Amino acid sequence: AQSVTQLGSHVSVSEGALVLLRCNYSSSVPPYLFWYVQYPNQGLQLLLKYTSAATLVKGINGFEAEFKKSETSFHLTKPSAHMRDAAEYFCAVSYAGGTSYGKLTFGQGTILTVHP
Amino acid sequence: GAGVSQSPRYKVTKRGQDVALRCDPISGHVSLYWYRQALGQGPEFLTYFNYEAQQDKSGLPNDRFSAERPEGSISTLTIQRTEQRDSAMYRCASSLPDRAQETQYFGPGTRLLVL
Repeated sequence: AQSVTQLGSHVSVSEGALVLLRCNYSSSVPPYLFWYVQYPNQGLQLLLKYTSAATLVKGINGFEAEFKKSETSFHLTKPSAHMRDAAEYFCAVSYAGGTSYGKLTFGQGTILTVHP
Repeated sequence: GAGVSQSPRYKVTKRGQDVALRCDPISGHVSLYWYRQALGQGPEFLTYFNYEAQQDKSGLPNDRFSAERPEGSISTLTIQRTEQRDSAMYRCASSLPDRAQETQYFGPGTRLLVL
């Protein structure tokens, strides 16, 4: 069975500071990994995804994530936080196996607060 | 083009009533997924369709929950005899094919409150 753990349900940073949101996964087969962002009253929006190509993935709004197989991690980073980055972030995993291709398993989410 | 739409956006109902939640996917998307998200949690998989065929319903909590996609486009998630524990955000997503690496596009969700 696959699972996702996001360390820290709330992360607070100052504007201009580094953003680091942690995600660890558990999967018996090579995973595909995703980061989604959720703004209030909106649907989940894809930030970036890892699909077994480059291990360092660049996404929208200046975010990036690195797939580290040895650490079973896919942490999300951004060098300099902006006020508009305040939202809830979800890490998710899927894999091409079984009967549920495309089925996503999500972490519990991390709420990012950005202080001026 | 238009994204995934869901209706109603908010639904308040009394315990014991049936509710129907609608999802209109992006035009041409083959796969459609339903997820449920409790407050403070990530979305949890309920069921998914390829075209009109329901491929996996392993996430449906019990037989009060059912879903259909009769013409391979719009889908309806029905909850019969609602209970307070059914209160949650119900999210729909669609993607082109159902490959695991495909991006799923999410709708805004339907927030269900059962009194």
